Amino acid sequence: GQQLNQSPQSMFIQEGEDVSMNCTSSSIFNTWLWYKQEPGEGPVLLIALYKAGELTSNGRLTAQFGITRKDSFLNISASIPSDVGIYFCAGPEGAQKLVFGQGTRLTINP
Amino acid sequence: EAQVTQNPRYLITVTGKKLTVTCSQNMNHEYMSWYRQDPGLGLRQIYYSMNVEVTDKGDVPEGYKVSRKEKRNFPLILESPSPNQTSLYFCASGFGGRSYGYTFGSGTRLTVV
Repeated sequence: GQQLNQSPQSMFIQEGEDVSMNCTSSSIFNTWLWYKQEPGEGPVLLIALYKAGELTSNGRLTAQFGITRKDSFLNISASIPSDVGIYFCAGPEGAQKLVFGQGTRLTINP
Repeated sequence: EAQVTQNPRYLITVTGKKLTVTCSQNMNHEYMSWYRQDPGLGLRQIYYSMNVEVTDKGDVPEGYKVSRKEKRNFPLILESPSPNQTSLYFCASGFGGRSYGYTFGSGTRLTVV
């Protein structure tokens, strides 16, 4: 099946810094999704992207659907403590299955 | 409140003792799915269901069974659990099709000793 590779695997930053992470695929996706998982909870959808080149924001979060359709990027501006968690990219494989990346674990020092 | 409810949240069991993890959603979603989460591997799909009585295998179905007798419920059954099934399990539901904004449950942490 398709594989998604996220980078970096973990990040340790200071509060207030901007964050960038990316996700690449071995094949083309028509949809890119970004989820956040907080400790002890299930993933929650942050942003959905449906068109190549699309740039979508959700508060301090901005995600982009890469032009090649094989990558996507997530940026968080002015990080705050509640941004801590694991961020997953995901894309559909077939009609009813989501493939997930390995996740980027974000830790913030206050 | 719209939600996906999994039970139990935590479970420790012994090898070979059959167990069931329940999943229920109150959003009238057609699509339901089970994932397992392991360090460094992200979430991998075990089984999914597109509607009542319609189920199909995901990427890692070995050692698991599911059933979808009612729209709201999608239990995960481990007939003979083994230590390699120790993991964090998530149930998810959604409307399917191009609407991929699935709602996840809070997870079930299973330990098989």
